[in-house]
Amino acid sequence: AQKVTQAQTEISVVEKEDVTLDCVYETRDTTYYLFWYKQPPSGELVFLIRRNSFDEQNEISGRYSWNFQKSTSSFNFTITASQVVDSAVYFCALSGPWGSQGNLIFGKGTKLSVKP
Amino acid sequence: EAGVAQSPRYKIIEKRQSVAFWCNPISGHATLYWYQQILGQGPKLLIQFQNNGVVDDSQLPKDRFSAERLKGVDSTLKIQPAKLEDSAVYLCASSLEGGGGVNEQFFGPGTRLTVL
Repeated sequence: AQKVTQAQTEISVVEKEDVTLDCVYETRDTTYYLFWYKQPPSGELVFLIRRNSFDEQNEISGRYSWNFQKSTSSFNFTITASQVVDSAVYFCALSGPWGSQGNLIFGKGTKLSVKP
Repeated sequence: EAGVAQSPRYKIIEKRQSVAFWCNPISGHATLYWYQQILGQGPKLLIQFQNNGVVDDSQLPKDRFSAERLKGVDSTLKIQPAKLEDSAVYLCASSLEGGGGVNEQFFGPGTRLTVL
């Protein structure tokens, strides 16, 4: 069975601090996809990144970076120099290979509060 | 490019009443999803369409929930009769086909349903 665990329910930081959001997944598929979504107070889920299981390269996009480690089944998300606008709930999600429907299994989310 | 549109944004009904939600996906997106997001949790898939065919409805409570996607574009999700536990945000998402993998899903703003 597929499962995503985001152990951190809530995190509070002060602006300009770095923060890492943890994501641990379980799957029996050898091909799978991992995603991060941001859900600001407005409620709309915003896509941040997709990573397939064959690409373990870390990725950096501005202040955002992602660390994918198959050995520990983790796909952690780091925000460098956090800003108030980063305040949101962040979801990690897992999908099987295309042909297994491709629907997303979400974690319970981590609520990040960035205080000025 | 217009995003995923949903209406209404908010709905309050009494238990045992019926309600319908509407979704218009991003133009050209063949796959459409309906998710239920209960407060404090990640979204959970209810049903997935590819064009106008159902791919996965294994988690749809079929005794009270129904969904259709006529002509492979717009979709409606109906609840009849509603129960208190149906209070949630109903999210519609769409994604492109192709590319040999699982593509990212783009989400609409959601419909917040309150059942009294």
